[in-house]
Amino acid sequence: DAGVTQSPTHLIKTRGQQVTLRCSPKSGHDTVSWYQQALGQGPQFIFQYYEEEERQRGNFPDRFSGHQFPNYSSELNVNALLLGDSALYLCASSFISGVRTGELFFGEGSRLTVL
Amino acid sequence: AQSVTQLDSHVSVSEGTPVLLRCNYSSSYSPSLFWYVQHPNKGLQLLLKYTSAATLVKGINGFEAEFKKSETSFHLTKPSAHMSDAAEYFCVVRGPGGSYIPTFGRGTSLIVHP
Repeated sequence: DAGVTQSPTHLIKTRGQQVTLRCSPKSGHDTVSWYQQALGQGPQFIFQYYEEEERQRGNFPDRFSGHQFPNYSSELNVNALLLGDSALYLCASSFISGVRTGELFFGEGSRLTVL
Repeated sequence: AQSVTQLDSHVSVSEGTPVLLRCNYSSSYSPSLFWYVQHPNKGLQLLLKYTSAATLVKGINGFEAEFKKSETSFHLTKPSAHMSDAAEYFCVVRGPGGSYIPTFGRGTSLIVHP
């Protein structure tokens, strides 16, 4: 049973560019959430997708957008990249029924470096 | 509003000695509390969770945590550290009130000396 998979694992972009990160949830999970983890910090919630809609959003600007596909996989898009967007981006999946107390299953992340 | 404070950025122990990682939380509601571990270049893995059942929670790899409402604490302990326990540990709070967005602490780096 495959866990949460993310791609790419590493990427380098320059300021002003756009980036797309991808996530496939654990088999059977229907909810995907994205997190930004800056160096030396804990993960910060970006947004959560369920039934192809953004359900909850953290304190991130509109440059951060996402999508969920019918097969529950998800993309995170960041436009107009800033140096401060350099971070590890984590995807987590779960069941919507377990959103309140259920375990989140995390991927290994995509490390984005903005030069 | 909810928040979580991990009281130590680094904890250093010798192999075979006890581990204590401290976490205090703030929540307007009865929270759910979690501890996650992150090994280098790996995703986060759940160690244990508290969801208003027993206040002493046992997790994987010999870790346990005790929920103390009066002290608003959820400290993580292990009787005997192993070299493989060296990692980053995150305390997480999730609450109701219309939002189950998890709030992570800044993390505690556990260093285990041989």
